Amino acid sequence: AQSVTQLGSHVSVSEGALVLLRCNYSSSVPPYLFWYVQYPNQGLQLLLKYTSAATLVKGINGFEAEFKKSETSFHLTKPSAHMSDAAEYFCAVSDSAGGTSYGKLTFGQGTILTVHP
Amino acid sequence: DVKVTQSSRYLVKRTGEKVFLECVQDMDHENMFWYRQDPGLGLRLIYFSYDVKMKEKGDIPEGYSVSREKKERFSLILESASTNQTSMYLCASSFRGVGNQPQHFGDGTRLSIL
Repeated sequence: AQSVTQLGSHVSVSEGALVLLRCNYSSSVPPYLFWYVQYPNQGLQLLLKYTSAATLVKGINGFEAEFKKSETSFHLTKPSAHMSDAAEYFCAVSDSAGGTSYGKLTFGQGTILTVHP
Repeated sequence: DVKVTQSSRYLVKRTGEKVFLECVQDMDHENMFWYRQDPGLGLRLIYFSYDVKMKEKGDIPEGYSVSREKKERFSLILESASTNQTSMYLCASSFRGVGNQPQHFGDGTRLSIL
């Protein structure tokens, strides 16, 4: 079964600093991976996805993530944090890759990002 | 853009009531999902559906049922609401594929059971 671990339930950075949110996955097959963002009182919005093409994936709002098979990681980064990046971030892995799928995702516990002025 | 609409943003019900949460998507997605979200627990899958009238249990189906009579609509039913079902409920939908299709989420329903 697939699983996701997000290291750090809370991350705090200063405005303009590097953002690094960690995600490690466990999967018996090459995975499809996703990062979502959730702003207060809203649903989840897709930031980016890895689907076995380029290992460095660029998303919206200046975020990117790098798939590292040897480390089973898919960390999310942004070079310079903005106040508007304050939100909760979720990493997710698909239930299958390459075969028939119901589209189920397994989510990590989430990381709350705080940005200080 | 994909639109997933949940019928209520906030809902207050009483213990023992039968509660219906409605979700509608406008992108002809085959798959639809219901999650509950609680602080520190992330998103937990309650039920999902991969076709009309088809449903599968997720990780925490107890106390819930679902209905999918039309492709665009997926309803979550709390048969007899209890206080431990107070939570944020999120609906999502996606295309059928090989696992590479992202899910698209509604804005959530914050349900309080008194």
